[in-house]
Amino acid sequence: NAGVTQTPKFRVLKTGQSMTLLCAQDMNHEYMYWYRQDPGMGLRLIHYSVGEGTTAKGEVPDGYNVSRLKKQNFLLGLESAAPSQTSVYFCASRRQGFDGYTFGSGTRLTVV
Amino acid sequence: KNEVEQSPQNLTAQEGEFITINCSYSVGISALHWLQQHPGGGIVSLFMLSSGKKKHGRLIATINIQEKHSSLHITASHPRDSAVYICAVIPRRNTDKLIFGTGTRLQVFP
Repeated sequence: NAGVTQTPKFRVLKTGQSMTLLCAQDMNHEYMYWYRQDPGMGLRLIHYSVGEGTTAKGEVPDGYNVSRLKKQNFLLGLESAAPSQTSVYFCASRRQGFDGYTFGSGTRLTVV
Repeated sequence: KNEVEQSPQNLTAQEGEFITINCSYSVGISALHWLQQHPGGGIVSLFMLSSGKKKHGRLIATINIQEKHSSLHITASHPRDSAVYICAVIPRRNTDKLIFGTGTRLQVFP
């Protein structure tokens, strides 16, 4: 039972490069989320999905795109990375209803 | 002003001490989470509660909906409890999302 798996765990990008972060969950959860965590700030929601084929913007969506083609996967894309996107990214999932969240172990991204 | 405030921001304790971390929020909520994050590590959900009190091992979480306040208590603290503890609420206005506090960094020394 893997829970929520994020890949990669670490990545260094040059400004302007693109990349995709993958989040996979094996719990058949409907809801999936992408957050970023920066020093001194609470986790901030980038994008989220309430079901397969749906996505919605969170608090800080600019510079990111997402897709949820399959229920178990939620992809976060950076088309043209900027130093301001240096952060730790967390994926989370949950079932419908007021249920606990399951978080991934994070992806540490540095943009130079 | 943040909608979810935690205090203290930093906390140090000696092994064995009783620890309290507080969370106050300014919005109507459906439920509240307490999360734990070890240094360089992932985030683990400790509790989700919408009323009263929950206990798991040495951890106790309480919530007072009328006062918009929750506390996380750790009894007989241990160095392995050293982590960042994060309070997050599910706002009634939008139950799809969480609003996070900035966390309380706890260090327990032997």
